[in-house]
Amino acid sequence: KAGVTQTPRYLIKTRGQQVTLSCSPISGHRSVSWYQQTPGQGLQFLFEYFSETQRNKGNFPGRFSGRQFSNSRSEMNVSTLELGDSALYLCASSLAPAHSSYEQYFGPGTRLTVT
Amino acid sequence: QQQVKQSPQSLIVQKGGISIINCAYENTAFDYFPWYQQFPGKGPALLIAIRPDVSEKKEGRFTISFNKSAKQFSLHIMDSQPGDSATYFCAAGGAGGTSYGKLTFGQGTILTVHP
Repeated sequence: KAGVTQTPRYLIKTRGQQVTLSCSPISGHRSVSWYQQTPGQGLQFLFEYFSETQRNKGNFPGRFSGRQFSNSRSEMNVSTLELGDSALYLCASSLAPAHSSYEQYFGPGTRLTVT
Repeated sequence: QQQVKQSPQSLIVQKGGISIINCAYENTAFDYFPWYQQFPGKGPALLIAIRPDVSEKKEGRFTISFNKSAKQFSLHIMDSQPGDSATYFCAAGGAGGTSYGKLTFGQGTILTVHP
């Protein structure tokens, strides 16, 4: 099976702009979680989508949003970018969380740099 | 209460030695404890995971030891190899509700294995 894919891999944006990142989960996986990884804060949970519904959200401002499509692909959007948004954004896919396992498989990430 | 504390921050071992990384948690609702390995420029890769109903799980050279009463778990890498040099993250996940799709990560341990 193909792994989790994320596009683009690298992105440079200017403060105040907005950005959209894309994630395609492993075939058959219906849950997509997003994380932000920075050297200072480590890996922090942004939100999780399942069947096109956001079921969980981390402690991030409303500038961070996402959505999931009927094919389980997901996008996240960050509006009004700030310098502190520079990070590696990771998505992880999982089988429906109703299953007993929580195995999450990560993509390679999108490296966002805000200047 | 949602934190997962990981130690040490960095670890240097000789080839063939045993690498030990420790994690502690406070939230007793956590019921899934995975370990991830991350190489520079890559997303975290799931190594091994354990649930609280067992005290130890072994997969190849990797072993998780779990102490439910102490709320601690650890990763042991036997016969450490230079190719094991990477950053290791412990994580914890809960069941349902506000835990959907959310893993809480430790701060990471940079492991260096000298030849």
